[in-house]
Amino acid sequence: AQTVTQSQPEMSVQEAETVTLSCTYDTSESDYYLFWYKQPPSRQMILVIRQEAYKQQNATENRFSVNFQKAAKSFSLKISDSQLGDAAMYFCAYRSAYTSGSRLTFGEGTQLTVNP
Amino acid sequence: EAGVVQSPRYKIIEKKQPVAFWCNPISGHNTLYWYRQNLGQGPELLIRYENEEAVDDSQLPKDRFSAERLKGVDSTLKIQPAELGDSAVYLCASSLSAGAETQYFGPGTRLLVL
Repeated sequence: AQTVTQSQPEMSVQEAETVTLSCTYDTSESDYYLFWYKQPPSRQMILVIRQEAYKQQNATENRFSVNFQKAAKSFSLKISDSQLGDAAMYFCAYRSAYTSGSRLTFGEGTQLTVNP
Repeated sequence: EAGVVQSPRYKIIEKKQPVAFWCNPISGHNTLYWYRQNLGQGPELLIRYENEEAVDDSQLPKDRFSAERLKGVDSTLKIQPAELGDSAVYLCASSLSAGAETQYFGPGTRLLVL
C-alpha cells in the first residue's frame, strides 16, 4: 500500500517571502500522479498543482512550484512571494496511474501561517 | 461550470440517529468518490463509483454505512445508526473517469455526533 508522509505539522512564513513544504511517499509503482491540495478554513479542497511521475520536468503554476525527486520519493512544494490568502492546510496526495487504484492517498497535512 | 455540490454543509445529531449526505458531481463526471476526513488528518476514501456501480468500497463500514448513486449522477451516503466516532467532515469528489488525473472536491459536510 502507498503511504504519504508530511513531516511538518506547521509552518509559518512572512508575507512576500518563500516557503517550502515537504512531502515523501512510499510506493512500488512506477507510474503515478502527485498532487498538492490546499484546504482553507472553509474545508473545500482546492487543487494547487499536480505532477506526473513520468515527467522529469518539475510542475509550475504561477507562484507555486514543486521539486520532484522520483528516486528519493520526495515531492516538495515551494510557494514564492507568499500572500495572506495562501494561509491554509496543505495536503500532499498520491494517486496510482492505474484505473483500479484511482483513490487519492493523502498525507496528514501542513498548516501554513502567513504573517503580515 | 458549477463545481461539486454537497448538502447539508453542517449536521448535528445525537448518537444512534440516522443521517444522510447528498452530493451532485460536476456535470459529465462519471466517477464519484466519498472521503471521510477526521480532525487533523487527511481524507480517506470510503467508496468510489463508476457511473452507478460501486467499484471500490473496501473502506466503507458496511454495518452502518450505505451509499447509492442512482442513475449514475447524484449520490447519497447514509449512516445508520451514527456513533460518536463518526464525527468528521465527509467530502465528495468527482472526476471525468477513473483514469482522469484530477479529482475535484465539494465543500464537504461537517458532521457532529453528540
